[in-house]
Parts: sequence; structure tokens; C-alpha cells
Amino acid sequence: EVQLAESGGGLVQPGGSLRLSCAISGVVFSSDEMNWVRQAPGKGLEWVAYISVSGSTIYYADSVKGRFTISRDNAKKSLYLQMNSLRAEDTATYYCARHGKNAFDLWGQGTKVTVSS
Amino acid sequence: DMQLTQSPSTLSASVGDRVTITCRASQRVGAWLAWYQQKPGKAPKLLIYKASSLESGVPSRFSGSGSGTEFTLTISSLQSEDFATYYCHQYPHTFGQGTKLEIK
Repeated sequence: EVQLAESGGGLVQPGGSLRLSCAISGVVFSSDEMNWVRQAPGKGLEWVAYISVSGSTIYYADSVKGRFTISRDNAKKSLYLQMNSLRAEDTATYYCARHGKNAFDLWGQGTKVTVSS
Repeated sequence: DMQLTQSPSTLSASVGDRVTITCRASQRVGAWLAWYQQKPGKAPKLLIYKASSLESGVPSRFSGSGSGTEFTLTISSLQSEDFATYYCHQYPHTFGQGTKLEIK
């Protein structure tokens, strides 16, 4: 069975840092383009970041550019999101999502990030 | 920037009803339009990709259509498990604001 499992969320103060991880099982992963998508409480979906199969191509939403870093370790079948200089508006559930069929065809269960003092 | 506008934002319907949700794009999208279903506390689930292709395992009562700037998601006969929020999506960056499908 294909599974994506995020971890690393929690409560952090404004200006702090957090590193999210996404472990993938049941698929090759090294041939999958990956994304992070977030959802603020009671709000809609917001794409955050994209990384290509090799990691050589990366894109970010303007709202996180310069603060967040997406990376991957194909040997460990893992995706990461390093989040620095966190703000209250970064409070959200963060999902890792696989690119497939020009959509996000596979999602993790999400990990909650709360930025508050 | 591309924008996707869904209508209605909220839809009240009954089991057995046929419902349609519309997604309008601010620019031509081509065929790369997807639809997701999200239930409270759960991750989104892909229903439709390439505007009209049904994802594996998704019931056939769900269908998608459209091209260019206007797309629709139709549920032919609502079941109780279909009450959820639905999002359209133009890969990779842009989501619609969501349509909440409620029980009438």
C-alpha cells in the first residue's frame, strides 16, 4: 500500500524554526515529483513548495520564499520542509503530496504547525 | 496570476440529488484541471484529473467536464458519504476556494 506520513509539526514561537518530514512507502519515490501544501485552520488549500525528482528544480510560493526550504533524500525515501522565521500566518496543517496525472494524486495525513507565543 | 473561482461556496442538497459545482479560471487552463474531495480532519482526495478523467477507485457518480476557463464537477446521485468540501486545482500552484456540500 502506498503511504505518505508527515511528522515534525508542533508549537513554535514566532521567529522560530521547524523541520517537517514526509516518509514515503510503497512507491519508488525516486521517480516522483513532490510538493508541500498547507491549510490554515478553517481555510482552503495553499500550495507551498515543489521539488523535482533529482532536487535540481525547486519552486516556492511567494508567501514562504526565502524562509522555507524544500529538500529530499531519495535513498531514505523522504521529503523535508525546513521552515525558518515562522510567523503566525504559517499556522496550518502541512501536507506532503505527490505529483501524478498533473494533479496531487497521493497525500499524507498532514502534520499541524502552530506558531504562537 | 491565475485565479480559480468556485461557485457556489456552499451548496445544500439531499441524498439522491444531482449537484454541479463550477470552477472558473481567470486564464485558459487547458485540460490540467483536477478536483478533490476533503472531509473534516482528513487529507484531500483526488477525484478527477485532466478535467474529466476519473481517478481509480472513485465512484462513477462523480464526473468532470469543461475546458478553457470553465469546468464543472457533477455528482449524479448524492450519497451520504459525499457531503464534504470540494476543491478545484490547476497544477501545480492554484486552488479554488472550495465548495462546502451540506445536507439540506
